[in-house]
Amino acid sequence: DSGVTQTPKHLITATGQRVTLRCSPRSGDLSVYWYQQSLDQGLQFLIQYYNGEERAKGNILERFSAQQFPDLHSELNLSSLELGDSALYFCASSAGGRNGYGYTFGSGTRLTVV
Amino acid sequence: GDSVTQMEGPVTLSEEAFLTINCTYTATGYPSLFWYVQYPGEGLQLLLKATKADDKGSNKGFEATYRKETTSFHLEKGSVQVSDSAVYFCALSKGGGTSYGKLTFGQGTILTVHP
Repeated sequence: DSGVTQTPKHLITATGQRVTLRCSPRSGDLSVYWYQQSLDQGLQFLIQYYNGEERAKGNILERFSAQQFPDLHSELNLSSLELGDSALYFCASSAGGRNGYGYTFGSGTRLTVV
Repeated sequence: GDSVTQMEGPVTLSEEAFLTINCTYTATGYPSLFWYVQYPGEGLQLLLKATKADDKGSNKGFEATYRKETTSFHLEKGSVQVSDSAVYFCALSKGGGTSYGKLTFGQGTILTVHP
């Protein structure tokens, strides 16, 4: 157990639907990062939150949004789902905002859009 | 923008063989460099890192040296084991500005080790 908890582990949904992925960071970590892993795009950074505030944004579609709550857990919302959104979504946490040191990754949520 | 290029896989080796996985990067400034490993069904685990030129990262028999002159960070292991079978990712990170902590990954290299 890495200390980063992602739920659910698997999700199957239809095109056009909306889903929410949840991430609980390792205890004490203030930063949460979301990544998308797909066969054609590899590992892509989506967005980072630090202590409740958006800190950095990557290749995140407008249909996707995220937030970090006061208890530091984060949710990634994916709407108007398309077949191409099928991927493994990882959450990672770290103690601070800089340099990627001390990243801890969750085991991911596998999203299948049918 | 920043990018990381890894050697094409998959790589298949026999146990106790020597392993090299090539990684080169393109980035401005002075990035930190990382190797991550992903075992089946699991998240990514940090294998080793180097934060400045000529630093050598090492862990579990794996080594990589930060070569700024060749913009490379090749992963090596002298004698691989079946348990090393996994996907290996090279990555870089730069602090500061708006990219706090963002990791830029290579495409990953699948390693399979046979007994």
